[in-house]
Amino acid sequence: DAGVTQSPTHLIKTRGQQVTLRCSPKSGHDTVSWYQQALGQGPQFIFQYYEEEERQRGNFPDRFSGHQFPNYSSELNVNALLLGDSALYLCASSSGRDTQYFGPGTRLTVL
Amino acid sequence: EDQVTQSPEALRLQEGESSSLNCSYTVSGLRGLFWYRQDPGKGPEFLFTLYSAGEEKEKERLKATLTKKESFLHITAPKPEDSATYLCAVQSNAGGTSYGKLTFGQGTILTVHP
Repeated sequence: DAGVTQSPTHLIKTRGQQVTLRCSPKSGHDTVSWYQQALGQGPQFIFQYYEEEERQRGNFPDRFSGHQFPNYSSELNVNALLLGDSALYLCASSSGRDTQYFGPGTRLTVL
Repeated sequence: EDQVTQSPEALRLQEGESSSLNCSYTVSGLRGLFWYRQDPGKGPEFLFTLYSAGEEKEKERLKATLTKKESFLHITAPKPEDSATYLCAVQSNAGGTSYGKLTFGQGTILTVHP
């Protein structure tokens, strides 16, 4: 049984560019949450998707947007990248509000 | 606003030297408290979920306990392979929009020397 998968593993972008990160949830899970983890910090909640709709959002600007597809996979889009967006982006899947299982993350570097 | 504070920030142990990590929290109605282990550059790995005060869970050398204000992760006779960052997170059951957001602490970096 495959766990949560994310792509790409690493990504390097320059300021002002746009980026799309992808996540496939664990089999049987219908909910996807995205987190940003800066170096040395705990993950910070960005938003959560369920039934293809954003159900809850953290304190992140509108530059951060997402999408969930009918097969429950999800994308995170970040526009107008800033240096401060450099971080490990984590996707977690769950069945509703049950335990969240995390993927390996995508390391984004903004130059 | 939900808050989680973990202590200590870093802990160095000798192999076999038991200790505990602390997670203090404030939340508007606790639905669950979660412990994760994270290795450098990897995603968090789920360890335990605790739902109510007095609950305890064990897995190999790890034991998690919960009170109304804090949780402890006890590590008995640790081995070098237990070295990792341990993250604590809470999930609120407050009505309305608190569907499943996890609020994390900053983590405790555990190093176990052979």
